[in-house]
Amino acid sequence: EAQVTQNPRYLITVTGKKLTVTCSQNMNHEYMSWYRQDPGLGLRQIYYSMNVEVTDKGDVPEGYKVSRKEKRNFPLILESPSPNQTSLYFCASSLSGSSHEQYFGPGTRLTVT
Amino acid sequence: AQKITQTQPGMFVQEKEAVTLDCTYDTSDQSYGLFWYKQPSSGEMIFLIYQGSYDEQNATEGRYSLNFQKARKSANLVISASQLGDSAMYFCAMREPHTGFQKLVFGTGTRLLVSP
Repeated sequence: EAQVTQNPRYLITVTGKKLTVTCSQNMNHEYMSWYRQDPGLGLRQIYYSMNVEVTDKGDVPEGYKVSRKEKRNFPLILESPSPNQTSLYFCASSLSGSSHEQYFGPGTRLTVT
Repeated sequence: AQKITQTQPGMFVQEKEAVTLDCTYDTSDQSYGLFWYKQPSSGEMIFLIYQGSYDEQNATEGRYSLNFQKARKSANLVISASQLGDSAMYFCAMREPHTGFQKLVFGTGTRLLVSP
């Protein structure tokens, strides 16, 4: 089954404790992206990647890192999480940056206390 | 400046009726893409429909259609014959070519409630 998977789905952590949210797709998609969703703000892009070893900042990259060492994986790293990073995070992928559809993962709900 | 504006925080509709969810956008590009996504209470994002700026006909996908008025910069979603399962958040989004087609910009969403 074609899908985007994220782990963990739920995470409660404390300020400053490094964490990684994994994202993996099995569709051989070139383009992958991370978004965060906050009430009243919709979804905002954090980082995106056009292909292996090619990443760039989105609208809200502060406090996040990403890497794309393999085509299928695009982990989101929070080196020192803060409470304002409490949010719902989505990973998405598409065949290319100009594809009509982005496939979204199920989301990761992160709470930073 | 807000790129995507959804002015209806919430909408109510009775089952089997049609409903229109509003979306206006702001861009200076001639080539762009417009999307609608559905987010049920379970949280996943479900792609509904796509409209390219050069598409002459309004996009349709089953009960979903996109009322595209380019001059007015509006891309309203029309759901015909609403069903209880249509209750969800709906997001309008735009992709602009000057971003290299990499980014979707989302509106703040409209919560639709379908009543029996």
